[in-house]
Amino acid sequence: DADVTQTPRNRITKTGKRIMLECSQTKGHDRMYWYRQDPGLGLRLIYYSFDVKDINKGEISDGYSVSRQAQAKFSLSLESAIPNQTALYFCATSDLTGGETQYFGPGTRLLVL
Amino acid sequence: AQSVTQLDSHVSVSEGTPVLLRCNYSSSYSPSLFWYVQHPNKGLQLLLKYTSAATLVKGINGFEAEFKKSETSFHLTKPSAHMSDAAEYFCVVSDHGSGGYNKLIFGAGTRLAVHP
Repeated sequence: DADVTQTPRNRITKTGKRIMLECSQTKGHDRMYWYRQDPGLGLRLIYYSFDVKDINKGEISDGYSVSRQAQAKFSLSLESAIPNQTALYFCATSDLTGGETQYFGPGTRLLVL
Repeated sequence: AQSVTQLDSHVSVSEGTPVLLRCNYSSSYSPSLFWYVQHPNKGLQLLLKYTSAATLVKGINGFEAEFKKSETSFHLTKPSAHMSDAAEYFCVVSDHGSGGYNKLIFGAGTRLAVHP
C-alpha cells in the first residue's frame, strides 16, 4: 500500500466552485506539505504543517487554504477555483529523523474550466 | 537565497548510452542537494541525496551524482540508459531557513527520452 495517498486523483471543476483535495499518510511523519506543479516551473510550495497545530504559508498560498485534521491528514481547499489554478497538486511528508527528504503522493490533476 | 538551474529542459538518448542531466545551484551555505524522478502519472521518487558526506553519491537504479563545490554543480549520470529511465527529473536544493525548516527549492525539470 502507498505510504502517501491523495484523493481524488483527477478532478474537473468550474470557476467559482469550492473544492477540497485530501492527503493521507501512513508514514507517521509530523511534517506535511502541499505543492503545485506547472509545466516548466517545477514544484512550488503552497502550505506546510509541522504538526496539527502548526500551519505555515508557502510561496504561493493566495487562493488556497489548508486544514490539518490529524497527524496523518492534510487537506488543501480552493475556496473559489479559478482557471489559473489548473495544475498538478502534490502532497508530501517528512520527519526530523529523515532530514530534509520528502516523500510524495501520486498527485491530483485539477482542471478548472 | 538558494536557487537551482537545470540546464536542459529535454534530453534524448539511445538505450544503452550514457545519461547526463545537468544541474547548477546557488547557495550561501553548504547545501543539501537531491535528485527526484517523476514517471508518467506517478509521484516524485527520491533518486539520491547529498548531505555533505561523500561528494560522489550513488542512488537507485544505477544513477549517481557528483557534488562539485567549485563548479556549483550536481550533475546526474548513468552509464547506460534503459527504456524505463524515461521520465522527468528534478534537481532540488535545500534552503536553510529559520525555525528548523529547510525548504526545498525545485528546478524546472529535465524530461529524459530514451529511444530504442
